[in-house]
Amino acid sequence: EPEVTQTPSHQVTQMGQEVILRCVPISNHLYFYWYRQILGQKVEFLVSFYNNEISEKSEIFDDQFSVERPDGSNFTLKIRSTKLEDSAMYFCASSGTGTGGFSGGSSYEQYFGPGTRLTVT
Amino acid sequence: RKEVEQDPGPFNVPEGATVAFNCTYSNSASQSFFWYRQDCRKEPKLLMSVYSSGNEDGRFTAQLNRASQYISLLIRDSKLSDSATYLCVVRGSTGGGNKLTFGTGTQLKVEL
Repeated sequence: EPEVTQTPSHQVTQMGQEVILRCVPISNHLYFYWYRQILGQKVEFLVSFYNNEISEKSEIFDDQFSVERPDGSNFTLKIRSTKLEDSAMYFCASSGTGTGGFSGGSSYEQYFGPGTRLTVT
Repeated sequence: RKEVEQDPGPFNVPEGATVAFNCTYSNSASQSFFWYRQDCRKEPKLLMSVYSSGNEDGRFTAQLNRASQYISLLIRDSKLSDSATYLCVVRGSTGGGNKLTFGTGTQLKVEL
């Protein structure tokens, strides 16, 4: 079964440093997302991306954040100058479009990668 | 009012029990509804989509009441492996690019 992959699994960085989190969405999916989950809290939406541009973003996704699809397979989240409060689990997700989908599910369903645990010290 | 509200639990049940989780959502324009399961420090995994007519997948049954803005999940014959946090999730549109809004989750512990 196709799956979303993410690297690295754990990233430790110092406050003020730039980090890039990487994701490989499911190959025939067209919509890509980043979510984050601070320890003990709910999963929160950051940004969605379609057709090489941001389609929606949350208040969390400020100027310190950017996303990019540098090639046909990768989808990245960059945090320009990390803060302590950026420490969280970052999940990438993808979804298809139209009808049908693998495993018989709706192609609008979002499938999540295993996450990158970001620790800012 | 929270966008998606769930009882945090934990629900401690014996193996073989039937357990039900409830969820309410505040945005009446929400169009798509899901239950995800999340194991400790892992990613949310899609358990099932929830349709207006209700749907069943093996031991799991999901119901949606749009008038009351209420979603439920029933797990029959609980297994130890069902122990996890169950996340109620809504999306605003049937389009493919809309954000998911998560509840805080309901923790289930199935015991021998």
